[in-house]
Amino acid sequence: EIVMTQSPATLSVSPGERATLSCRASQSVYGNLAWYQQKPGQAPRLLIYGASTRATGIPARFSGSGSGTEFTLTISSLQSEDFAVYYCQQYNKWPPTFGQGTNLEIK
Amino acid sequence: QLQLQESGPGLVKPSETLSLTCTVSGGSISSSGYYWGWIRQPPGKGLEWIGSIYYSGTTYYNPSLKSRVTIFVDTSKNQFSLKLSSVTAADTAVYYCARHRDDFYFDNWGQGTLVTVSS
Repeated sequence: EIVMTQSPATLSVSPGERATLSCRASQSVYGNLAWYQQKPGQAPRLLIYGASTRATGIPARFSGSGSGTEFTLTISSLQSEDFAVYYCQQYNKWPPTFGQGTNLEIK
Repeated sequence: QLQLQESGPGLVKPSETLSLTCTVSGGSISSSGYYWGWIRQPPGKGLEWIGSIYYSGTTYYNPSLKSRVTIFVDTSKNQFSLKLSSVTAADTAVYYCARHRDDFYFDNWGQGTLVTVSS
């Protein structure tokens, strides 16, 4: 199966600043990559699919980029509600697999 | 608005079978092009896809769990269900049901239900 590796494990950023999260696949997944946000006690929420397409209702400050094996999620100006755990997921090859997550915390 | 809700026992004994049901409301489980899946998350850990089903009954299982997993659908009740046999403490997790298309990214999730395996 394809292994997804996210970095860093924890990212400390101040509100209003930019956050950049990385996700690497053990083999090419082309553009078949999704990002999710998960807050404590809640289910994950789909943010991005197709590596760069925002899901319905997702603010424009969230953007995704990359293809092949290297992907980035950028949050342009962090709001208080953005501090959460973020997961990437590949769906190019079955079974779909998730990264271990990046915890975005307030600096 | 589509809603998914998991239900089932919160405590299961080792070696027994875990059984959960997901009830879909605000939409039909028989909608063409949509699949219905189960994903789990052990406490403090990441996400693992367990398996999915189409309303026709076609199933897709994670090879790592395939020997122990059964997923089935009841279109008359707008529900789909998960059975995981021979559970151990390693199966303790929050279990989510979710919807996806044939692209296998999950656009709608239930709130999740914690299942603890313990005697």
